[in-house]
Amino acid sequence: ELKVEQNPLFLSMQEGKNYTIYCNYSTTSDRLYWYRQDPGKSLESLFVLLSNGAVKQEGRLMASLDTKARLSTLHITAAVHDLSATYFCFLIGQGAGGTSYGKLTFGQGTILTVHP
Amino acid sequence: NAGVMQNPRHLVRRRGQEARLRCSPMKGHSHVYWYRQLPEEGLKFMVYLQKENIIDESGMPKERFSAEFPKEGPSILRIQQVVRGDSAAYFCASSPTGVYGYTFGSGTRLTVV
Repeated sequence: ELKVEQNPLFLSMQEGKNYTIYCNYSTTSDRLYWYRQDPGKSLESLFVLLSNGAVKQEGRLMASLDTKARLSTLHITAAVHDLSATYFCFLIGQGAGGTSYGKLTFGQGTILTVHP
Repeated sequence: NAGVMQNPRHLVRRRGQEARLRCSPMKGHSHVYWYRQLPEEGLKFMVYLQKENIIDESGMPKERFSAEFPKEGPSILRIQQVVRGDSAAYFCASSPTGVYGYTFGSGTRLTVV
């Protein structure tokens, strides 16, 4: 059974600082997603990582994937208050017969708070 | 395209009542998923449906919970005889193919009093 663990679970940062959120997973998976959730809101897509060594960047966020280590990182550069949110990584699971479909397995989420 | 529409946004039920949560997928999406989120936790898979079919309900509690996605109309997640432990946010997601392009609704926050 696929398990996904994020750390840290809580992250309090000062504006302008850098930090990394880690996402470890237990079994091989086709793809890894990073989504963001604001309080009381839905989840918004940030990145989809499809292959070993994949790196994607959008603004102050950069995500990477190491399938051999079963590890993805979400790096935050020069944090700003607008980045305060909960960040989830999740992966697509395996259904009957090994077919992948939308049975997504989520990490616990990392609650990021950026202070002035 | 209005995205994935869930209603109601907030639902309060007394113990023992029924809760019906609705989800209209994005236009062109025929794959619908329901997830439950407890406070400060990630989302937990409940059920995966395509039109008129339940594909995987391995995350659904065996009793009191049911889901459908009829040929016409929204997908419905139904919880009978609600208990306090059912209080959570319930998210619906849709996908065009089942393997990518997941779009989430804004969720229904169920409170059982």
